[in-house]
Amino acid sequence: AQSVTQLDSQVPVFEEAPVELRCNYSSSVSVYLFWYVQYPNQGLQLLLKYLSGSTLVKSINGFEAEFNKSQTSFHLRKPSVHISDTAEYFCAVRGVGGATNKLIFGTGTLLAIQP
Amino acid sequence: DAGITQSPRHKVTETGTPVTLRCHQTENHRYMYWYRQDPGHGLRLIHYSYGVKDTDKGEVSDGYSVSRSKTEDFLLTLESATSSQTSVYFCAIGSVSGTSGDEQFFGPGTRLTVL
Repeated sequence: AQSVTQLDSQVPVFEEAPVELRCNYSSSVSVYLFWYVQYPNQGLQLLLKYLSGSTLVKSINGFEAEFNKSQTSFHLRKPSVHISDTAEYFCAVRGVGGATNKLIFGTGTLLAIQP
Repeated sequence: DAGITQSPRHKVTETGTPVTLRCHQTENHRYMYWYRQDPGHGLRLIHYSYGVKDTDKGEVSDGYSVSRSKTEDFLLTLESATSSQTSVYFCAIGSVSGTSGDEQFFGPGTRLTVL
């Protein structure tokens, strides 16, 4: 079984400052990792994902995440945030080869950007 | 957005009444999921389906049942609604492939209030 921990329920940051949202996972098998974003009053949208290969993955809007197997982490970073990045961010994990195709989500981190 | 709709989008009901939520997809994806989202808990899987008439329980299935008689429709039923089932419900769809790693696409959500 897999589990995901997002220790920060809320991260306040000023506009144009850098940000890191932390995600740690637990699994006895190899994993696929995902970051989803939820804007206010909307459903979740995939932001980026790690399946295999390069451990650094990037989104089209400037976010990046690095898969660190030794630390079982998949932290999300952005060098300079914009007010439009205000949203809740969810880390999710799935075990590779699992027959049930289920994602396990973290509890979410609210990114609160102040002008 | 992927072709996923949920109905109704908002519902207020009373304790003890039956409630059915509908998820409809136009993407012909094999997998469909029902989640509930609550503050401090992130998204938790209620039930999922891996084909027509093939369903299984998630981590919070008590008090819920599902049915899938067609590929495009996945129904979630609360047989006798309770106040603890007040939540936002999300439907998601997905397919397994070597490149997707089980990316899930989410509907817009249904806000259910049980009085």
